[in-house]
Amino acid sequence: GAVVSQHPSWVICKSGTSVKIECRSLDFQATTMFWYRQFPKQSLMLMATSNEGSKATYEQGVEKDKFLINHASLTLSTLTVTSAHPEDSSFYICSASRDRARNEQFFGPGTRLTVL
Amino acid sequence: EDKVVQSPLSLVVHEGDTVTLNCSYEVTNFRSLLWYKQEKKAPTFLFMLTSSGIEKKSGRLSSILDKKELFSILNITATQTGDSAIYLCAVITGTASKLTFGTGTRLQVTL
Repeated sequence: GAVVSQHPSWVICKSGTSVKIECRSLDFQATTMFWYRQFPKQSLMLMATSNEGSKATYEQGVEKDKFLINHASLTLSTLTVTSAHPEDSSFYICSASRDRARNEQFFGPGTRLTVL
Repeated sequence: EDKVVQSPLSLVVHEGDTVTLNCSYEVTNFRSLLWYKQEKKAPTFLFMLTSSGIEKKSGRLSSILDKKELFSILNITATQTGDSAIYLCAVITGTASKLTFGTGTRLQVTL
C-alpha cells in the first residue's frame, strides 16, 4: 500500500509554455501533499504544502503565481509551472501524507522537466 | 531557519567496507528524523527515528538518533555495489509535518 504516482515522468517544453504535473495517491487518501524540486547534485527543496480543499502554503522564495498548486481531491494534486523558462528545468517530486501524526510521507517517482 | 547538514558530501569505498554517514540538525519543533536512499528517481524510505538512543536496524543498515547532541548516523556494514546511491537525511518539524532535507551524501561502492 501507499503508492504515489506522478504524470508525466518526463516532459520537454518550449520556453513560455505552461506544464502541468499530476500527483496521485493510488491506494490511500492523502490529507496533505508536498511538492519538492531537486536540481542536479542537490538535495530536495520543499516548494509548497497543499491540503485538500485549501490554498497551498508556499515556502519562502517560491513564486505562487508561477507554480500553481491545486489539491482538488484527497487523491490528486497538480503543479502547474506557468510560463516556463530554462531555469525551471528540474526534477519535481511530490509526496503524500495520509496521517500527519505518523509523520509518514510517500514519494512519487518524480517528473523531469526540461524547458528549451 | 531550519538546517540539516550531512557529511561527508561524497564517499567512495570498496565493497565489504563499513561506512558511517552523519546528519546533524538545527530545527525548531523537531518531530522525527528520516533517512532515505535515492538512486535514479525519488527517494525510498529507510528509517524513521523519533526517540534518542534506540537503534533501528534493517539488514546491513542501522541508524540511531541523539536528540541531545542533535545528530543521527546511518551505518552500512559489508557494503555492496548496490548500496551506491545518495543517502538523504530529513527532519520533520511542526504541525504541518514539513520535511527539511540535508544536502545528501553520495556513496559509491567499488569492486
